[in-house]
Amino acid sequence: EAGVVQSPRYKIIEKKQPVAFWCNPISGHNTLYWYRQNLGQGPELLIRYENEEAVDDSQLPKDRFSAERLKGVDSTLKIQPAELGDSAVYLCASTAYSAGSTGELFFGEGSRLTVL
Amino acid sequence: AQSVTQLDSQVPVFEEAPVELRCNYSSSVSVYLFWYVQYPNQGLQLLLKYLSGSTLVESINGFEAEFNKSQTSFHLRKPSVHISDTAEYFCAVSDTNAGKSTFGDGTTLTVKP
Repeated sequence: EAGVVQSPRYKIIEKKQPVAFWCNPISGHNTLYWYRQNLGQGPELLIRYENEEAVDDSQLPKDRFSAERLKGVDSTLKIQPAELGDSAVYLCASTAYSAGSTGELFFGEGSRLTVL
Repeated sequence: AQSVTQLDSQVPVFEEAPVELRCNYSSSVSVYLFWYVQYPNQGLQLLLKYLSGSTLVESINGFEAEFNKSQTSFHLRKPSVHISDTAEYFCAVSDTNAGKSTFGDGTTLTVKP
C-alpha cells in the first residue's frame, strides 16, 4: 500500500514569494491533516479535512495561508506571500476517521520550506 | 483542550543501556495515547498506542509504554537500546470523539556506542 506522498521535499524561496505544497493521502483515507513543525517543536495542526470539508481550520493563518482538497482526495497548501517565520517542515497526514476509530495518523515525509 | 508535555528534550544514552522518555498530558475528555518516532530524514511513524484495556502496551522493536491515569502519564521505556533507536520521539494524544491529535515537542534520543 502506498503511503502519504508529499511534494516537494525541499523548497527554498525568497520572502514575499508564493509557495505551494501538495499531498496525496493513503487511498481510502477520508481525513487529511496539514501540520507545521518548527525546528525543535512538535507538529502543530494547521487544518483538518473530512472528505472535502475543512472541519478545523482555527489555527490556519488565513491572511496568507490557504488550502483546498478538491474531490476529497489530494490537497494543496499555499502560502502567499511567504515570510521568514514560515520556514518550517509542512507535514501532511491522513487517517480513515470515523466514529470509534483510533485517530492513528499516517504521515508523509514532509516538505521543508526555507524562506530567505 | 489538550496538551502534551515531554519532560526531556534530549536523552543521550549508551548502547545496551535502559532508557525512559517521559510524557505527561492533560485533557478534559477521554483520549487515546500514542508514541510516534521520526528517524532522520523520514516522516513520523507510529511506534505504539494505548486505546483501552491493559495499561502496558508494547511495540515490535522492544519499546513499551505504560498508561497511568492517576498521574496522566504515558512514559516510553526500553530495557536495552540500540544505535538504530537514535531518533526523535513524539508523544501525542487524540480526542476519542473529535479526531484531533495534539503532539508534544519531542525528545531526541541519541544512542552512543
